[in-house]
Amino acid sequence: KNEVEQSPQNLTAQEGEFITINCSYSVGISALHWLQQHPGGGIVSLFMLSSGKKKHGRLIATINIQEKHSSLHITASHPRDSAVYICAVKDMDSNYQLIWGAGTKLIIKP
Amino acid sequence: KAGVTQTPRYLIKTRGQQVTLSCSPISGHRSVSWYQQTPGQGLQFLFEYFSETQRNKGNFPGRFSGRQFSNSRSEMNVSTLELGDSALYLCASSWDRLTGELFFGEGSRLTVL
Repeated sequence: KNEVEQSPQNLTAQEGEFITINCSYSVGISALHWLQQHPGGGIVSLFMLSSGKKKHGRLIATINIQEKHSSLHITASHPRDSAVYICAVKDMDSNYQLIWGAGTKLIIKP
Repeated sequence: KAGVTQTPRYLIKTRGQQVTLSCSPISGHRSVSWYQQTPGQGLQFLFEYFSETQRNKGNFPGRFSGRQFSNSRSEMNVSTLELGDSALYLCASSWDRLTGELFFGEGSRLTVL
């Protein structure tokens, strides 16, 4: 079993829809990161969470430490949001090594 | 404020050669980590350096090595290249290795022929 599980693996939606990507982890963490990678592009950090909720524009990220679960929401989705979204955690039990989820490939159709 | 700079961006090598990749972190960041990204394996952790000390190492053979200099710049070296080493090598920097936001470079794309 992977320490970081993301769902769904693939998601196709229409422009304007509300998008939710989930991340569950099984290890103790110091932080959880949501990252974005466009095709052929580099990786961009969206959020770093250790508790609660953060909002940046149309993006919202939440984390429930007790349930070891985080969600990334995109409101009013747009085709430019099409990318791979990756959840990664800093694992306290492995000297804070960054453990990656497999990523969620999001396609927003106009 | 300059971002994370990785050089070279692209390189082609042949089997058996060795390669050195460089990563200059954001000014003030002391934590640098390296990752390998391949279509089949996804993102895999290589090493992490903080204040010139290796703090963590992933499950890669000894052909993969790295170091960090006093100015926080980091290099990774791969010796005796194999075809399977073809990948995008990404570097990330942060000011704090536990809870710092990660800033990634564009990566160095290595092709081994």
